[in-house]
Amino acid sequence: QVQLVQSGPEVKKPGASVRVSCKASGYGFSTSSINWVRQAPGQGLEWLGWISTYNGNTEYAQKIQDRIALTTDTSTNTAYLELRSLRSDDTGVYFCAREQHNTVWDSHYYFLDVWGAGTTVSVSS
Amino acid sequence: DFQLTQSPSSLSASVGDRVTITCRASESIGMYLNWYQQKPGKAPKVLIYAASDLKNGVPPRFRGDGSGTDFTLTISSLQPEDSATYYCQQSYSRPSYGFGQGTKVEIK
Repeated sequence: QVQLVQSGPEVKKPGASVRVSCKASGYGFSTSSINWVRQAPGQGLEWLGWISTYNGNTEYAQKIQDRIALTTDTSTNTAYLELRSLRSDDTGVYFCAREQHNTVWDSHYYFLDVWGAGTTVSVSS
Repeated sequence: DFQLTQSPSSLSASVGDRVTITCRASESIGMYLNWYQQKPGKAPKVLIYAASDLKNGVPPRFRGDGSGTDFTLTISSLQPEDSATYYCQQSYSRPSYGFGQGTKVEIK
């Protein structure tokens, strides 16, 4: 079945970097882009970024664009999120999600149809 | 940046009630609006895409309506398993996305 399996929890100190992985299986990895979304404790969903698994193009949320890097390894069907200069407000659960679309006439309607279980990142001194 | 504002932020209703959640966009986004359900400790799950298309496997008591700036998610007959937080998401500016702040639905 289609699934995204994320790496385990991380505990980091402020100023450090973290790398979270997301391994895809059950579908053609290069056929669907991957998005990353995070959720601070007790808060809502925050979109962080998008990466094309086909050509590596990326798009980042303005708020975080100077500290985030999304990459993929098509040989292992894995997407990665790296976040640098961690702060306490980066604490939360980080989700990867597959992008899908439905086409009606000439319009493509995109949505996130398969999600990883989430990776908890804790930033504390 | 497109802003999505959901209302109410939370609600409490009884089993069998009809529940409506509203999502308003700061600018017209056509029908590029999705709805997700998230239960505690779980990843979100897509319910509705393109404003009104029901994702395969989602019960038909969930209905999405709207276009432009005003959208609604309606649960026609609330069930105990519908207790969750619901988020709208715009895909008009894809590959850049955005979410509403969420609406928590509780069962009385």
